Amino acid sequence: QSVLTQPPSASGTPGQRVTISCSGSSSNIGSNTVNWYQQPPGTAPKLLIWTSDQRPSGVPDRFSGSKSGTSASLAISGLQSEDEADYYCAAWDDSLYGWVFGGGTKLTVL
Amino acid sequence: EVQLVQSGAEVKKPGESLKISCKASGYSFTNNWIGWVRQMPGKGLEWMGIINPSDSNTKYSPSFQGQVTISADKSISTAYLQWSGLKASDTAMYYCARHLRDGEYRRLDYWGQGTLVTVSS
Repeated sequence: QSVLTQPPSASGTPGQRVTISCSGSSSNIGSNTVNWYQQPPGTAPKLLIWTSDQRPSGVPDRFSGSKSGTSASLAISGLQSEDEADYYCAAWDDSLYGWVFGGGTKLTVL
Repeated sequence: EVQLVQSGAEVKKPGESLKISCKASGYSFTNNWIGWVRQMPGKGLEWMGIINPSDSNTKYSPSFQGQVTISADKSISTAYLQWSGLKASDTAMYYCARHLRDGEYRRLDYWGQGTLVTVSS
């Protein structure tokens, strides 16, 4: 049982826009920013969004993040086949004094 | 260029000990904490613990406290994760990641390639 809650799966067709939600609590998302990670099969996680809505250099602007209260979301517009991957949200938890992750969302491009 | 390079895959028997490594380069090792993350086969990411390489102060997730030991050798910019008695349930991919703190903002920004640990009799 993960501390942050994500839907286990999401899907869309090429060109569509999909969103993935992430729900937490006051000690994690409510108090800190959210990071999103992309993990294609067989690879290490890669930072996709940090501080809730910032993209590292090299990440396309098709990826965007937002946060409100104790929830956050990742949006992917102009869906492409190479976006097929697992996506994880993460936040620092002040009570745990450590990182908490969502259970991951498997994105399928139909 | 920031890089975290982890040691290679391991196959061990239950009860054996193991120490895997994560060598950092491209930045000042003592300026950022290093975290360890477990990913069991077909499952999600789990935070195990974190170490401050400058003073080796560590914090463990309650789920992993007493099960593993995290350490670091700042003279060679390397962090370690070790077990004293492996169990079959320790079979997983283990990642190290740099914990960057920028004021109030934190992120695990660079990740190692992962070390696959297989425990089987």
